[in-house]
Amino acid sequence: DQQVKQNSPSLSVQEGRISILNCDYTNSMFDYFLWYKKYPAEGPTFLISISSIKDKNEDGRFTVFLNKSAKHLSLHIVPSQPGDSAVYFCAASANGGATNKLIFGTGTLLAVQP
Amino acid sequence: EPEVTQTPSHQVTQMGQEVILRCVPISNHLYFYWYRQILGQKVEFLVSFYNNEISEKSEIFDDQFSVERPDGSNFTLKIRSTKLEDSAMYFCATCPGTLQETQYFGPGTRLLVL
Repeated sequence: DQQVKQNSPSLSVQEGRISILNCDYTNSMFDYFLWYKKYPAEGPTFLISISSIKDKNEDGRFTVFLNKSAKHLSLHIVPSQPGDSAVYFCAASANGGATNKLIFGTGTLLAVQP
Repeated sequence: EPEVTQTPSHQVTQMGQEVILRCVPISNHLYFYWYRQILGQKVEFLVSFYNNEISEKSEIFDDQFSVERPDGSNFTLKIRSTKLEDSAMYFCATCPGTLQETQYFGPGTRLLVL
């Protein structure tokens, strides 16, 4: 069941440059999307979210873009810092469900090189 | 900033034994969830809980699993008779209560079944 896909298992970026992490989804009922950051042996930490009524949401160095027609979202980190090195998960939920369960992608390991 | 806490951080048990994983949700959050992540795989939804009853459960959440809020604060996941394949990180998450709001995750419990 691959409703949420992150096709790049890893990404390496130089410090100060832009990191772009991508996520695709197949379920058109999804209307709320989130990005989480995760370090080994820790729980996912919420970064930023976007509702399907928007196409962009920005919070400091983090911006999420949503393209509903393409069923694609991306997370931009500018400028990238070594502390951003972690696994990034895209997650989605369908408002029509009573519970807001999250469907996660497989994650992208971001390495920011000093 | 309020956090979700989980105990124990690690649990080793023998196959067939019962385990109880505990979570203290963020105060005034109304929705509670359990997820798990088997090593190398994606984070998977197990169950959601609202108003003292299960809202939704996944196929994984079979009769060996149960959840409750025994004292109105702790939120527990019980596995009655553990199997080797139950070895995973188990994450509790909580949400304030309105739709399209963020789920905040605890640090996880690493369960190893021998």
